[in-house]
Amino acid sequence: ETGVTQSPTHLIKTRGQQVTLRCSSQSGHNTVSWYQQALGQGPQFIFQYYREEENGRGNFPPRFSGLQFPNYSSELNVNALELDDSALYLCASSVGLAGMSDEQYFGPGTRLTVT
Amino acid sequence: AQTVTQSQPEMSVQEAETVTLSCTYDTSESDYYLFWYKQPPSRQMILVIRQEAYKQQNATENRFSVNFQKAAKSFSLKISDSQLGDAAMYFCAYLVEEGGSEKLVFGKGTKLTVNP
Repeated sequence: ETGVTQSPTHLIKTRGQQVTLRCSSQSGHNTVSWYQQALGQGPQFIFQYYREEENGRGNFPPRFSGLQFPNYSSELNVNALELDDSALYLCASSVGLAGMSDEQYFGPGTRLTVT
Repeated sequence: AQTVTQSQPEMSVQEAETVTLSCTYDTSESDYYLFWYKQPPSRQMILVIRQEAYKQQNATENRFSVNFQKAAKSFSLKISDSQLGDAAMYFCAYLVEEGGSEKLVFGKGTKLTVNP
C-alpha cells in the first residue's frame, strides 16, 4: 500500500461527455502527477501540480485539466471525451521537488472506458 | 528527446531461477535517475529499485539488482531466486526535469511470468 487512493476504480463514459477523476495523496505530499496508461503501453505524463499550481505539462490537449487542493486531494478533468481517451489513469504523489530525490507513490488507477 | 526502450515484451523464468530484464535509454543529461517499477494485476505501480546516474555502484534491493552501464545507456534489472509473486509487468523509467516539473518517462514494459 502506498497511501495514495483513487476514485472511482472503473468508469464508463460516452464520447463527448466530461469526466472527473479523483486522487487522494498522503498527508504532506505537495506534488501530484497524473499519467495516462493506454492498454499495452507504459504510462505517459499528463501534468504535474505543486502546491496547487500546475508546474509542468506533457503532450496532452487543453481539454485535459486538473486541480490540486490544500487537503492533498486532486482532480483530473477531461472534457469532450474521445475514444482514444480510454486508458488507465494513474496519479502519483511525492513530498516535493527536492532535486529528484523524492520517491513518487502511485495510486491504483482509474480505468476509463469511452464508448 | 528522452526515450526508454524495453526490447523484451515478455519474459518467463522458473521459480528460484534468475532472470534479467533489459532497458536502454537516451538522454543528453549527465545527472539523472533511473527506476524499475513493478505493476501487478492490481495495477498499482510499485517502486522496485532506483539508480542515481552519478553513483558508480550498482543499486541492489534484496533479490533485485541492476547493471547500470552509463556509457552504453543501459539499465538492466536482475531478479534472483524468482518467486511466484514476482510475476507482473515491469517498467523501466527515467526521471526528467523540465520547466520546473519532474516527470517519469516510461518504457513499454516487460511482462514477466514465473513458472512453478
